[in-house]
Amino acid sequence: SAVISQKPSRDICQRGTSLTIQCQVDSQVTMMFWYRQQPGQSLTLIATANQGSEATYESGFVIDKFPISRPNLTFSTLTVSNMSPEDSSIYLCSVGIRGNTGELFFGEGSRLTVL
Amino acid sequence: QKEVEQNSGPLSVPEGAIASLNCTYSDRGSQSFFWYRQYSGKSPELIMSIYSNGDKEDGRFTAQLNKASQYVSLLIRDSQPSDSATYLCAVNRGTSGTYKYIFGTGTRLKVLA
Repeated sequence: SAVISQKPSRDICQRGTSLTIQCQVDSQVTMMFWYRQQPGQSLTLIATANQGSEATYESGFVIDKFPISRPNLTFSTLTVSNMSPEDSSIYLCSVGIRGNTGELFFGEGSRLTVL
Repeated sequence: QKEVEQNSGPLSVPEGAIASLNCTYSDRGSQSFFWYRQYSGKSPELIMSIYSNGDKEDGRFTAQLNKASQYVSLLIRDSQPSDSATYLCAVNRGTSGTYKYIFGTGTRLKVLA
């Protein structure tokens, strides 16, 4: 597996503001993803973070709302823009490790509350 | 029909009993299957992966896969109160080396002391 560090672990934000979540992995990984888990729900994939290029977004998620960067193989950021209370959720960074058999590992998550 | 279905529970079992968690999936071409444990307020933790029909055992955990019937199960032997958590079934619909995960909504397990 890998050690996946996310920060902040939690935050309370005001409506209309933006927050950037960072994800750092201790080894080079093939794939990095961002998931959202709303209260009482399962995990929903927001996008795949591509190194050095634009992220690949899933249906229902757009770059203007969730800009993502991945400047190298071990680091990515997710920004939640112009937040509303509906964005209150846990945001999870996840990675697939090079050479691995498709297993996915998760960071500790960032719990975001929007007032 | 959901792509990955699980009974939401809660499934309550006494301490020391066997907990049986089930999951069905709709994409017959899926190749990889995973069980994650998620404690309240924590992120999912991978506990089992299975790729071939049959059983795979790891300590107190046994994963079972039946591709013909499109179901995956997780057995937890000698259940402990510390096993109380939500268990997520995940199916990777991608081919080897790719990641197209679909998660179930999870089954909440309560192990009663």
